[in-house]
Amino acid sequence: DGGITQSPKYLFRKEGQNVTLSCEQNLNHDAMYWYRQDPGQGLRLIYYSQIVNDFQKGDIAEGYSVSREKKESFPLTVTSAQKNPTAFYLCASGIGQGAAPDTQYFGPGTRLTVL
Amino acid sequence: LAKTTQPISMDSYEGQEVNITCSHNNIATNDYITWYQQFPSQGPRFIIQGYKTKVTNEVASLFIPADRKSSTLSLPRVSLSDTAVYYCLVGGYQTGANNLFFGTGTRLTVIP
Repeated sequence: DGGITQSPKYLFRKEGQNVTLSCEQNLNHDAMYWYRQDPGQGLRLIYYSQIVNDFQKGDIAEGYSVSREKKESFPLTVTSAQKNPTAFYLCASGIGQGAAPDTQYFGPGTRLTVL
Repeated sequence: LAKTTQPISMDSYEGQEVNITCSHNNIATNDYITWYQQFPSQGPRFIIQGYKTKVTNEVASLFIPADRKSSTLSLPRVSLSDTAVYYCLVGGYQTGANNLFFGTGTRLTVIP
């Protein structure tokens, strides 16, 4: 089955610790995205990558880091510098080409709670 | 970046047609209009996308007037499973960026 997976589904972190969220896709998509969603709010773009070994900051990149060493994988690290990391994190992928906005395919999300 | 305005919430009875309107007065020439659906604790799912006039697929229709300053998502004969948040996005894919903005969306509640 083709799709996009995120793990773990729930993650608990102690304040001051870094934590890495996994995102894998086997859709052969070039573009990948990370979003953050707070309760009752829309999605905010953290980072995106249009191609391997390249990524760009989104609207709220401070306190986060990413890597894109493989086409299939786009892990997100939430660092201790992120002041309010408790949120629902969503990863998406897309073809990343054309004049129209990318149709983004989302993973199931990871809910991060800082204790 | 064109921002959008949607109703915060809507209620509808099962079996009715639901129309959700989105305002985007600052839409740019190259911008498209895209709608996503999100269920609780899940990632959004693409519904439909259009540039002008009318687009229809197996789940919805999208009506875009000539001035493109608004658009209407139409869901025919909704069921309880259509209860979700619906996001209207306006943007265009540009080199070096994918400027989609997910606002707070419209929370649709379908009533039996």
